[in-house]
This record gives sequence, structure tokens and C-alpha cells, in this order.
Amino acid sequence: EPEVTQTPSHQVTQMGQEVILRCVPISNHLYFYWYRQILGQKVEFLVSFYNNEISEKSEIFDDQFSVERPDGSNFTLKIRSTKLEDSAMYFCASRQGALYEQYFGPGTRLTVT
Amino acid sequence: KNEVEQSPQNLTAQEGEFITINCSYSVGISALHWLQQHPGGGIVSLFMLSSGKKKHGRLIATINIQEKHSSLHITASHPRDSAVYICAVKPPTGETSGSRLTFGEGTQLTVNP
Repeated sequence: EPEVTQTPSHQVTQMGQEVILRCVPISNHLYFYWYRQILGQKVEFLVSFYNNEISEKSEIFDDQFSVERPDGSNFTLKIRSTKLEDSAMYFCASRQGALYEQYFGPGTRLTVT
Repeated sequence: KNEVEQSPQNLTAQEGEFITINCSYSVGISALHWLQQHPGGGIVSLFMLSSGKKKHGRLIATINIQEKHSSLHITASHPRDSAVYICAVKPPTGETSGSRLTFGEGTQLTVNP
């Protein structure tokens, strides 16, 4: 069964460093999402992406964040200068169309020290 | 006040018991998701529903749009059902919108043998 994959599974970085989290959505899906979950808290929406552009973003998704679909298969989330409070599990999700459910990747645990 | 409220927060059951987890929401929605999150962190979609009832194996999900309430039932519960169950709602937006999900806090279910 097709699935969303994410790499790496765990990334440790120092404050101020740039990180890129990678996702490979399901191949015929058209809508892509990033969510994050700080330890012990609920999952929060970051950004949605459709037709090669951001369709919606949350208050959390400030200028430090960017997303890209560089090659038609990967979907990346970049954090330009990480802060301690960026430590969280980051989930990628994709869906085929408006009436379809979202499928989640296994997550990348980001630890900022 | 959270837009999505789940109850209970924690639930402990004996193997074989019938489980009910509740979700109430305060906003208009086009669909509601029930998700399962295992201790490793990965999120699996169980159901997406916009009306009525859906059944998959021992899991049943119902939704009452007028009352803005959904329930997830597990029949003949088993220790492997132990996980966090999360309710998430999708807004009533059009095809080209982001359709972000808004998540509840989750219900931690523990099923003892």
C-alpha cells in the first residue's frame, strides 16, 4: 500500500542552524501539508501546499519557515535558524483531492540544543 | 476554548470491554477525522466521515452534524488498541483551499490484559 515517507526519523541540531525535513508524499496526491507536535501537546497545522504554492499557513509558519517541492516527488520543510522551541515532531501529510482523507508520514523528531 | 474537545483525556479498560471516546467541536466542518497515534509517534488515519456512521473491523465511528459531536467506539478491546486517539476536523472550504485540520488534545487509551 502506498505510504508517505519522511527522512530523517530523528534530527538533532544546534540553535541557529538551518534544517531541512524531507517528505515523499503518495505519488498521485495533489495536496501536501506540514504539521508539528510539541511533546505532550496537540498536533498543530503549519502549512498547506497545492499547485506549487502555499495555499494556507498558520501563525506559527513565520519567515523562518519555508516549503518547497523541488522535483515533483519530494516536499521539504526548511527552518532557517532553529530555536529551542522548534523542538517537536514534524509530520508531513498528503491527500489526493478535496474529498479524500489525509495520509500522514511517520514523522521527524527534531531536537534543537 | 478549544475548537475541538475530546473526552475522556485518559481511559483505562480491561481487555474485551467496549470503549467509547467522544469528540465535540464548535466550528462548521466538512469532515471529521479519527486518527490513532502509537507510542512511537506515527499517526494513522482511521476514519474520515461527514455524516452517519462508518465501521472498520472492531472500530465504529459516528457523527451527529446537528449536535457537532462524534464518537469512536472500539468493540472487544485488546491491549494492542492501546494508543492515543485523536479527533481532527476539516473546515467547510472549497477545492483549492488548504483544508487544514484542527486537532483535539487526544485521548490516551490503555487496555490491560
